[in-house]
Amino acid sequence: GESVGLHLPTLSVQEGDNSIINCAYSNSASDYFIWYKQESGKGPQFIIDIRSNMDKRQGQRVTVLLNKTVKHLSLQIAATQPGDSAVYFCAETTGGGNKLTFGTGTQLKVEL
Amino acid sequence: GAVVSQHPSRVICKSGTSVKIECRSLDFQATTMFWYRQFPKQSLMLMATSNEGSKATYEQGVEKDKFLINHASLTLSTLTVTSAHPEDSSFYICSAYDPTGGDYGYTFGSGTRLTVV
Repeated sequence: GESVGLHLPTLSVQEGDNSIINCAYSNSASDYFIWYKQESGKGPQFIIDIRSNMDKRQGQRVTVLLNKTVKHLSLQIAATQPGDSAVYFCAETTGGGNKLTFGTGTQLKVEL
Repeated sequence: GAVVSQHPSRVICKSGTSVKIECRSLDFQATTMFWYRQFPKQSLMLMATSNEGSKATYEQGVEKDKFLINHASLTLSTLTVTSAHPEDSSFYICSAYDPTGGDYGYTFGSGTRLTVV
């Protein structure tokens, strides 16, 4: 992921708009990527994942895009709701139970 | 689905004492468990990886004598913060890997807020 230890960037969106959260990963050998949502005082919550042999995957209201050429991930949230307000992290791994490395994270704030 | 229980959720201890945090996989056997530390407004930093029955692998810069990890069974890993100091105050999170969980086998605990006074 991006340099850890930096403070979280913030993305503010209006309720109902689409949100796009970006992440740069560091290990070209990573072949499995996960997006997590973390609410204050809680552990990370799985949102969606993607393997390196794909460039797009869709879930309910969420889409993950993977660009291996530039080592970039994005999470798109459609029709953002107040309940989507949280910190979002991407994580990368070479899979098979190997360690997950987290990106810097983005604080998403949904304004009414 | 897979559930990981982490206990305690919150602990306050005096400087110089030791604190133990437990991480249990409730409905699966975890071959590997991970311990993370998270400071306010920052990302999760991996501290160590533990495999059942073997010594933990610590990340660079993490003091293994200060952060003792024990993974005695396939369902339990513990992290002991020894001789805690105020700078050890942080949010500690465990994750357990279920090898039968397919690509996605990583399940996280709910975290432990440690405050050293």
